[in-house]
Amino acid sequence: DIVMTQSPDSLPVSLGERATINCKSSQSLFKSSNNKNSLAWYQQKPGQPPKLLMYWASTRESGVPDRFSGSGSGTEFTLTISSLQADDVAVYYCQQYFTTPLTFGGGTKLEMK
Amino acid sequence: QVQVVQSGAEVKPPGSSVKVSCKASGGSFTNYAFTWVRQAPGQGLEWVGGIIPLFGTWNFAQKFQGRITITADESTSTAYMELSSLRSEDTAVYFCARVPGYSGFDLHLDYWGQGTLVTVSS
Repeated sequence: DIVMTQSPDSLPVSLGERATINCKSSQSLFKSSNNKNSLAWYQQKPGQPPKLLMYWASTRESGVPDRFSGSGSGTEFTLTISSLQADDVAVYYCQQYFTTPLTFGGGTKLEMK
Repeated sequence: QVQVVQSGAEVKPPGSSVKVSCKASGGSFTNYAFTWVRQAPGQGLEWVGGIIPLFGTWNFAQKFQGRITITADESTSTAYMELSSLRSEDTAVYFCARVPGYSGFDLHLDYWGQGTLVTVSS
């Protein structure tokens, strides 16, 4: 199975500041057939299902604010929130869909400092 | 407008079975695959399995071998996940999520159901 490791576990950030969440996979997620990385990011708020933010590592889902961006390739990926808003407080998960079983990172809890 | 609506909460005794449904609307059911992801209380996300309704093929995480069945009814645009021999560790919220393609599970999960809490307790 592909192991997804996120860091940090918890991230306190001040309003308006940048937040950076890291995700590493135990093997490359680069798909040669389309030159893309099979990596998605989700946001989950308490009592709600996860919400898709990014896919193919850097493609923003429709309706997601442009302060969210994704980067990385191979085995190392990053989700960046350029200017934290109060509504961004949540747990963030990365997920690989390169192969089954689909696997998720352990989550990063983004908090307001 | 895409909607994924799941069945309601269940309380089951250990050793019994539970069947959770997932009804999708707002698109052609057979254009997509559907996966099940669970989340134990206070924990992260764990893939359970999934189905491609167009082909009727399904896949699951090895830890559920012998205990899981995933089916789909095209006539009602509904996917089902049945888990048997329930134990306390199966207590979790089970989410159904849509894969925006029918080639397999090699895409992101774009729409999620509201979740179904399954509690295993005597």
